[in-house]
Amino acid sequence: DTAVSQTPKYLVTQMGNDKSIKCEQNLGHDTMYWYKQDSKKFLKIMFSYNNKELIINETVPNRFSPKSPDKAHLNLHINSLELGDSAVYFCASSQGALQGTNTEAFFGQGTRLTVV
Amino acid sequence: AQSVTQLDSQVPVFEEAPVELRCNYSSSVSVYLFWYVQYPNQGLQLLLKYLSGSTLVKGINGFEAEFNKSQTSFHLRKPSVHISDTAEYFCAVSDLSYGGATNKLIFGTGTLLAVQP
Repeated sequence: DTAVSQTPKYLVTQMGNDKSIKCEQNLGHDTMYWYKQDSKKFLKIMFSYNNKELIINETVPNRFSPKSPDKAHLNLHINSLELGDSAVYFCASSQGALQGTNTEAFFGQGTRLTVV
Repeated sequence: AQSVTQLDSQVPVFEEAPVELRCNYSSSVSVYLFWYVQYPNQGLQLLLKYLSGSTLVKGINGFEAEFNKSQTSFHLRKPSVHISDTAEYFCAVSDLSYGGATNKLIFGTGTLLAVQP
């Protein structure tokens, strides 16, 4: 009964391929995120969805396309993979950021993407 | 724009010694502050958070942090560390410019706590 689960955990693929990472949360949260952690462990937000609506797109290349079929799922599709896309991608969820509510973000275990 | 600075990229410490991991933030508005821990090949786990109220915040695994508004700091402390505390620690601040719709986190660059026997 993992709170935020993402698959696969490891993904090795060749340049130019298209791949997807799936994320599901069973916490009933209304907001989901994708973060990227680079080789120096720096974490940066890529996207945020609230109730299936895109709220944040942090100047990510168009090759990255998030899709939220419902509040509990946020998938990440990447076209024409490049060497520089190699990183760990984390999915997260939270209950938004309303004053006085719990704003804690829960993270998945990460997907280590290696592009060769 | 908000930002987070973790001055120490690595902190070596002996087992049972006290430790402090430093975090400074910049923000022109009220902030929510967090410390997350990442064990090797794992996701991020929340250690503690400051939303409002008491400036001394206690978290899991014996960690605590103090919010200091005048010094814009949120340092993490533990009085006695264990080998199992070896991990990467991230300080983060919420970007509240999106209203209640989302809780975007801005992370520091992380501090590796290396506990030695």
